[in-house]
Amino acid sequence: GQQLNQSPQSMFIQEGEDVSMNCTSSSIFNTWLWYKQDPGEGPVLLIALYKAGELTSNGRLTAQFGITRKDSFLNISASIPSDVGIYFCAGRPVGGFKTIFGAGTRLFVKA
Amino acid sequence: NAGVTQTPKFHILKTGQSMTLQCAQDMNHGYLSWYRQDPGMGLRRIHYSVAAGITDKGEVPDGYNVSRSNTEDFPLRLESAAPSQTSVYFCASNLGDSDLNTEAFFGQGTRLTVV
Repeated sequence: GQQLNQSPQSMFIQEGEDVSMNCTSSSIFNTWLWYKQDPGEGPVLLIALYKAGELTSNGRLTAQFGITRKDSFLNISASIPSDVGIYFCAGRPVGGFKTIFGAGTRLFVKA
Repeated sequence: NAGVTQTPKFHILKTGQSMTLQCAQDMNHGYLSWYRQDPGMGLRRIHYSVAAGITDKGEVPDGYNVSRSNTEDFPLRLESAAPSQTSVYFCASNLGDSDLNTEAFFGQGTRLTVV
């Protein structure tokens, strides 16, 4: 069954605000991935993290691989309306052979 | 480059009917997967294939069949559709023969309703 807990489930924010979301697991992961799904489209990779403690940015997005290797965080700064969508975390547990996806965080941005 | 192409985009099916969802990739990727997306459940893998001629079950395979006769195509077959199979289906491809350490490229999805 699913091993990732992603929170929050949904967020309603004002344009210009910063956003934080996270993903946790009871298992140790060796890779964390963050995808974004625009309405009516398939998910697209935003950031990939491969080492504990790694902090990686992609424009206004910053993601971190938690030191415990059981969690990851995604921050979006100065949100804009096109940030609307579903953000998925995904990870590969140590010893596992496949990627597991979180349930997603649905982001709504009010202009 | 088209990437991963799924057809159809939308479909309504009656209970008990059969249907094939098409997936084609033109990136010469080896690893293909089918996922279903349901509210609050994220993406759950149905079946996957590491190469032509090789397929395996994912997390939720019951009620679905797949085949991989070549590198490009990976159709998903519902032999006797049930309302529980109402979902959005995504095909994804990864370079190589696994989804480890490689980015997954997703199709646009097929929204299937079984009535």
